[in-house]
Amino acid sequence: QQQVKQSPQSLIVQKGGISIINCAYENTAFDYFPWYQQFPGKGPALLIAIRPDVSEKKEGRFTISFNKSAKQFSLHIMDSQPGDSATYFCAARGTGTASKLTFGTGTRLQVTL
Amino acid sequence: EAGVAQSPRYKIIEKRQSVAFWCNPISGHATLYWYQQILGQGPKLLIQFQNNGVVDDSQLPKDRFSAERLKGVDSTLKIQPAKLEDSAVYLCASSTDRGNTIYFGEGSWLTVV
Repeated sequence: QQQVKQSPQSLIVQKGGISIINCAYENTAFDYFPWYQQFPGKGPALLIAIRPDVSEKKEGRFTISFNKSAKQFSLHIMDSQPGDSATYFCAARGTGTASKLTFGTGTRLQVTL
Repeated sequence: EAGVAQSPRYKIIEKRQSVAFWCNPISGHATLYWYQQILGQGPKLLIQFQNNGVVDDSQLPKDRFSAERLKGVDSTLKIQPAKLEDSAVYLCASSTDRGNTIYFGEGSWLTVV
């Protein structure tokens, strides 16, 4: 079964610091790697995504770094803010018509003042 | 644009009882998903519809779970009989055909006691 492993499980960062969340996948049959942000009581919302032919993608304070040979990708949140406190999930989409998303186990981020 | 609508938001039932959740996807979205999110874990795909056809139900416990999408729009997920381990948030999501962005509803919280 295709798996996506995510770490750390929880993260505490001071305001203004850099938050880094890592994910690794086992199967090469993935073609799209999104990150989702989830606030308590809400559904996950797409934050940023990358395709495997790109090594880095940046959107504002959020950057995905992708290492295809190592089958790893990470989310960097620069200048972390208290409003970033949420649970973050990495995911990977399989190829083919089913386009099934497999999620990591989540990282609970807390940004302190 | 209206988001993915789900109801009820919260439900408490006794084990062995039945429950049904309803989902109305974003207008025009051909693909509809039901995910199960157990506390502290990432969402797990239960079933994926393309219009009114099932494209993936490999992780749906078919002895107790059923889902339908009549007329390719609204969908209902039913659990009968419920078990304690079914306590989770049931997330409905939708996307365009093989859309990169999957939009989630706020979820239906189920507690089985």
